[in-house]
Amino acid sequence: DVKVTQSSRYLVKRTGEKVFLECVQDMDHENMFWYRQDPGLGLRLIYFSYDVKMKEKGDIPEGYSVSREKKERFSLILESASTNQTSMYLCASVGGTGVTSPLHFGNGTRLTVT
Amino acid sequence: AQSVSQHNHHVILSEAASLELGCNYSYGGTVNLFWYVQYPGQHLQLLLKYFSGDPLVKGIKGFEAEFIKSKFSFNLRKPSVQWSDTAEYFCAVKPNTDKLIFGTGTRLQVFP
Repeated sequence: DVKVTQSSRYLVKRTGEKVFLECVQDMDHENMFWYRQDPGLGLRLIYFSYDVKMKEKGDIPEGYSVSREKKERFSLILESASTNQTSMYLCASVGGTGVTSPLHFGNGTRLTVT
Repeated sequence: AQSVSQHNHHVILSEAASLELGCNYSYGGTVNLFWYVQYPGQHLQLLLKYFSGDPLVKGIKGFEAEFIKSKFSFNLRKPSVQWSDTAEYFCAVKPNTDKLIFGTGTRLQVFP
């Protein structure tokens, strides 16, 4: 069974801090994604990666960056956290072209920026 | 821009009631369609998917969805809900040449 593991379930950070959210998948999937989930807004794509060292902007990349140095790991970076980045962050992965295959999600990291 | 609409934001039902959650999308080409569910405290997981063939798709836990191409819809149904169906439900659409787009979600509460 595919496992997508997000390193932290809850995080509390201060405004201006640099924040790293880590995600690891164990199924050798090429494609990995970071979403944020907010009430009434659903899931919005921040960044995705279809291969090591490759990254593509999603719908809301401002204020975020990503790193994919190894196939199994995809990190989301908040260079200078702000209160409007308080949210639930979801990592997902899928293999192959991902056209008909479903995404596999981690449990999420609830980030609070104070 | 392509979009996915879930008009029911919050649905409250009693056990044994029938359920239909609406999902409409705006894209004229070939699409792959998904419903995901997020139970309280758990990760998002696939409920069912459609990409070709019979437009009536059956998923886990007695859920089904019908793809109606002329209406750009993929509504989720269950004839008799249970308390354990309390969750948030997300419709998602993937055009063949673009990335997955999620709807805003529908929160379902089922009371015993």
